[in-house]
Amino acid sequence: GQQVMQIPQYQHVQEGEDFTTYCNSSTTLSNIQWYKQRPGGHPVFLIQLVKSGEVKKQKRLTFQFGEAKKNSSLHITATQTTDVGTYFCAGNVPGSSNTGKLIFGQGTTLQVKP
Amino acid sequence: DGGITQSPKYLFRKEGQNVTLSCEQNLNHDAMYWYRQDPGQGLRLIYYSQIVNDFQKGDIAEGYSVSREKKESFPLTVTSAQKNPTAFYLCASRLVGLNEQFFGPGTRLTVL
Repeated sequence: GQQVMQIPQYQHVQEGEDFTTYCNSSTTLSNIQWYKQRPGGHPVFLIQLVKSGEVKKQKRLTFQFGEAKKNSSLHITATQTTDVGTYFCAGNVPGSSNTGKLIFGQGTTLQVKP
Repeated sequence: DGGITQSPKYLFRKEGQNVTLSCEQNLNHDAMYWYRQDPGQGLRLIYYSQIVNDFQKGDIAEGYSVSREKKESFPLTVTSAQKNPTAFYLCASRLVGLNEQFFGPGTRLTVL
C-alpha cells in the first residue's frame, strides 16, 4: 500500500544546533503538509507545499518538496526549546483531494537540551 | 470561539464494554475524520465523513463504528470487537476545497 516513511524517529539536539527531518513517499503526492504536535498536545498544521521543487520558509523553519513530489524535508535552524515536539509530514495522493485522506509519516520527535 | 472539542480528555473502560468518544466542531466544516495514534507511530485513519449521513471506512475501521447525524458532530464508538483499543484518539475536520486539517485535543482511552 501507499506509505510515507519519515526519518529519523527521534532526534536529540543541543539548543542552537540545526535539525532536519525527512519524508519519503512510495508514491507521487499531489501535496505535502507538515504538522507539529507538542508533548501531550494535538497536531497543528504548519504549512502545505504543492509545487514540484517548492521551498517555503517560516522564520527558522525551511520546508522543501522534492522535484518528483515524492519526498520532503523540514529544516530548523538554531533550535530553541520551544521547538520541542513531534513533527509529522502528511500527503494527499492524486485523486484524494475530494476525500481529504492523508497518509501520515510516523513522525520525528525532537528533544532540545537547553 | 471556533474549534473542535473532544471529551473527555481521559477515559477508562473495562474490557468488553463499548465506549463512545465525542467530537464536536463549530467551524462549519463539512469533512470530519477520526484517527488513532499509538506511541512511535503516525496517525492512522479510522473513519471519515464528507457530508451528513454519509461516512467511509479508513485504513483501520475494524472494531469501530461512527455516525454523522449532524454536521457538527461525528461520534466514534469503540466496540468490544476492537482487540487493542487503548490509544490516543484524535478527531479532525476540514473545509472542503482546502487540504489543511484542524485537530481536536484528543481523548486518551485506556481499557483495563
